[in-house]
Amino acid sequence: EPEVTQTPSHQVTQMGQEVILRCVPISNHLYFYWYRQILGQKVEFLVSFYNNEISEKSEIFDDQFSVERPDGSNFTLKIRSTKLEDSAMYFCASSEDGTGGWDEQFFGPGTRLTVL
Amino acid sequence: QKEVEQDPGPLSVPEGAIVSLNCTYSNSAFQYFMWYRQYSRKGPELLMYTYSSGNKEDGRFTAQVDKSSKYISLFIRDSQPSDSATYLCAMEGWAGTASKLTFGTGTRLQVTL
Repeated sequence: EPEVTQTPSHQVTQMGQEVILRCVPISNHLYFYWYRQILGQKVEFLVSFYNNEISEKSEIFDDQFSVERPDGSNFTLKIRSTKLEDSAMYFCASSEDGTGGWDEQFFGPGTRLTVL
Repeated sequence: QKEVEQDPGPLSVPEGAIVSLNCTYSNSAFQYFMWYRQYSRKGPELLMYTYSSGNKEDGRFTAQVDKSSKYISLFIRDSQPSDSATYLCAMEGWAGTASKLTFGTGTRLQVTL
């Protein structure tokens, strides 16, 4: 069964460093998302992406964040200068057709980011 | 007021019990209502979704939506230890060209033998 994969599973970084989290969405999906979950808190939407453009971003997704689809399979989230409060589980998701109506978002297993 | 409110639990029940999980929401624009299950350190996995008010059943699971009260429920019949997980309600708000999900905090469920 197709699934969303994410690498690495755990990333430890120093405050101020740049990190890139990688995701491989399901191959025929066209819409991609990043969510994060701070320990003990709810899953929060960060950004959605379609046709090489951001469709929507939340208030959390400030200038320190960027997303890219560098090739036909990967979808990345970059945090330019990490802060302690960026420590969280980051989930990538993809959907076949995000244009309204029911369309399941499939989630990856997550990357746990720890900022020291 | 939070957009989606969910009692975090934990909720502990004996095997075979009926479990009731609930969420309330404030945004009338939500159209689709989902329940996800999340095991520790894993991604959310969709259990069920519903559209509009009413009930939807899938095996031991029943999802219920009352849009007039802005209240959704998930019932689990004959609960099993393997049902032990965190259950997240999620709602879909139309975001233009892609639909973002708004989650509740999740309710941690423990089913004991």
